[in-house]
Amino acid sequence: AQSVTQLDSQVPVFEEAPVELRCNYSSSVSVYLFWYVQYPNQGLQLLLKYLSGSTLVKGINGFEAEFNKSQTSFHLRKPSVHISDTAEYFCAVITTGGTSYGKLTFGQGTILTVHP
Amino acid sequence: EAQVTQNPRYLITVTGKKLTVTCSQNMNHEYMSWYRQDPGLGLRQIYYSMNVEVTDKGDVPEGYKVSRKEKRNFPLILESPSPNQTSLYFCASSPYRGLYTEAFFGQGTRLTVV
Repeated sequence: AQSVTQLDSQVPVFEEAPVELRCNYSSSVSVYLFWYVQYPNQGLQLLLKYLSGSTLVKGINGFEAEFNKSQTSFHLRKPSVHISDTAEYFCAVITTGGTSYGKLTFGQGTILTVHP
Repeated sequence: EAQVTQNPRYLITVTGKKLTVTCSQNMNHEYMSWYRQDPGLGLRQIYYSMNVEVTDKGDVPEGYKVSRKEKRNFPLILESPSPNQTSLYFCASSPYRGLYTEAFFGQGTRLTVV
């Protein structure tokens, strides 16, 4: 079975500072990786995804993430955050084989709070 | 506009009173699923459906039922709700398990069972 661990439940940061949200995963088969964002009182929307190819992927709103297969990590970064980035962020994986083929598994979520 | 629509957005009910949360998508997606979101636990899958008349249990199916009689609709049924089912519920859809693309989520249904 696969699992996703987001290492920080809450990350406070000041506006214009850089931020990194950490995500590790465990799976016995290959996975695709995703980051979703949930703004207050809204559903989830896709920030970025890694399927194959370059390990550095760029998403919407200036976010990027790097896939590290040896460390089984997929950390999300932004060089300069804005107040509007305040939201909850979810890392997720989909397995590409095995008995859980195609199942989307989420991490526990990280609440990013950007202070002025 | 491509979207997943859930109703109602907010619901307060009493223990044991049957309820249904509706979910409809207009993207002709084969794959639909229900999740519940609880603080510190992220989203956990309740049930999923790979196509019409094909449904299966997710990680936390106890106390829930689903049906998929039409491709666009995937209602979540709580036959006898209990307080531990108080949660935020999301419906999602994607083309073929969402392997190569994103899952599209509804706006959520906040359910309180008293």
